[in-house]
Amino acid sequence: AQSVSQHNHHVILSEAASLELGCNYSYGGTVNLFWYVQYPGQHLQLLLKYFSGDPLVKGIKGFEAEFIKSKFSFNLRKPSVQWSDTAEYFCAADSGAGSYQLTFGKGTKLSVIP
Amino acid sequence: NAGVMQNPRHLVRRRGQEARLRCSPMKGHSHVYWYRQLPEEGLKFMVYLQKENIIDESGMPKERFSAEFPKEGPSILRIQQVVRGDSAAYFCASSGTADQPQHFGDGTRLSIL
Repeated sequence: AQSVSQHNHHVILSEAASLELGCNYSYGGTVNLFWYVQYPGQHLQLLLKYFSGDPLVKGIKGFEAEFIKSKFSFNLRKPSVQWSDTAEYFCAADSGAGSYQLTFGKGTKLSVIP
Repeated sequence: NAGVMQNPRHLVRRRGQEARLRCSPMKGHSHVYWYRQLPEEGLKFMVYLQKENIIDESGMPKERFSAEFPKEGPSILRIQQVVRGDSAAYFCASSGTADQPQHFGDGTRLSIL
């Protein structure tokens, strides 16, 4: 069965620090990958997605993620975080075209200190 | 707001009661998905519906849980005879087609006393 692992449960950073959140998936076939963000009290919002093509994906709010097939990874990055990035971040995967069942990681809480 | 609408936001039930969670998909979306998030866990897929049809309910517990998406009105997730272990956040998502990214609602937080 497919699974998604997020390495960090809680990350605390100061403003302007760089961010990298780890995500690994276990699935040998075609896969679509997603990062969602959940701000306090709000719904999940799609940050970015990878379906195919350029493995470096740029999303909203200055976030990007790199798909490394050999490492089964899809890490999320941002060069300089802001206090408003405080949220919970979820990595998710589905098994390619026609698939709809998202498998989520447990989430990483990011706290940015002003 | 044309987003996915879930209600209620919070629902409190006593053990043995029924819980009904509602989800109205985004305008133009006919694919609805329900996920459950237990404390300290990621979201887990429960069921996928299109209008009047259950496409995949492989993530639904075998008993007490049911879902529907009628021709008119919202999708309903129904939990009969609730138990403490049903306490969780239940999220609904919708998409225009099965291939498109899913858009999520705010969730319903169910608490069982």
